[in-house]
Amino acid sequence: GNSVTQMEGPVTLSEEAFLTINCTYTATGYPSLFWYVQYPGEGLQLLLKATKADDKGSNKGFEATYRKETTSFHLEKGSVQVSDSAVYFCALSRDQGAQKLVFGQGTRLTINP
Amino acid sequence: DTGVSQNPRHKITKRGQNVTFRCDPISEHNRLYWYRQTLGQGPEFLTYFQNEAQLEKSRLLSDRFSAERPKGSFSTLEIQRTEQGDSAMYLCASSPDSRFNTGELFFGEGSRLTVL
Repeated sequence: GNSVTQMEGPVTLSEEAFLTINCTYTATGYPSLFWYVQYPGEGLQLLLKATKADDKGSNKGFEATYRKETTSFHLEKGSVQVSDSAVYFCALSRDQGAQKLVFGQGTRLTINP
Repeated sequence: DTGVSQNPRHKITKRGQNVTFRCDPISEHNRLYWYRQTLGQGPEFLTYFQNEAQLEKSRLLSDRFSAERPKGSFSTLEIQRTEQGDSAMYLCASSPDSRFNTGELFFGEGSRLTVL
């Protein structure tokens, strides 16, 4: 079946550090890939997405590249801020239009000033 | 605020009682989804509606669970004879019709259920 595996957290970094959160997936065919973020006290919101191999999604300084050969979609940011502290979820969708998302378990990120 | 609204935000109940959660999606969205999230895990798909039609249900949605969207606007999720294993955050999300869909789901803040 379809599944997503994320690097285990929690992750704690200092401000301005480089961030990588690993995500690998198992799926048949060509899923769409997403990163969602949940800030404290808020609902999940889309951070970025990629719909085909070699696409790069980017938003708010975060980037992730859809790597079909390694079935990965790692999230990166060059210089994190305290405001990036949140829980990050990698997800995939196999359904065209239905967006029945399969999520990873989430990675809690804490950025210290 | 025109986002997805869920009520109540937190419900504490005793085992065996029935509970109902309500979701009001973004008004122009015709698709509505329910997910369940347990502590330390990612959300798991439960069911989704296109307008008033329930098009798919996960095997996670046992016979004690029922979801409705009678007029294609708000939705309710009822859990009958609650069990302690039902304790979780129940998330609602909405999205527009596929013609306008960018692949993004818009989530509410969730309704947390605690079964004692």
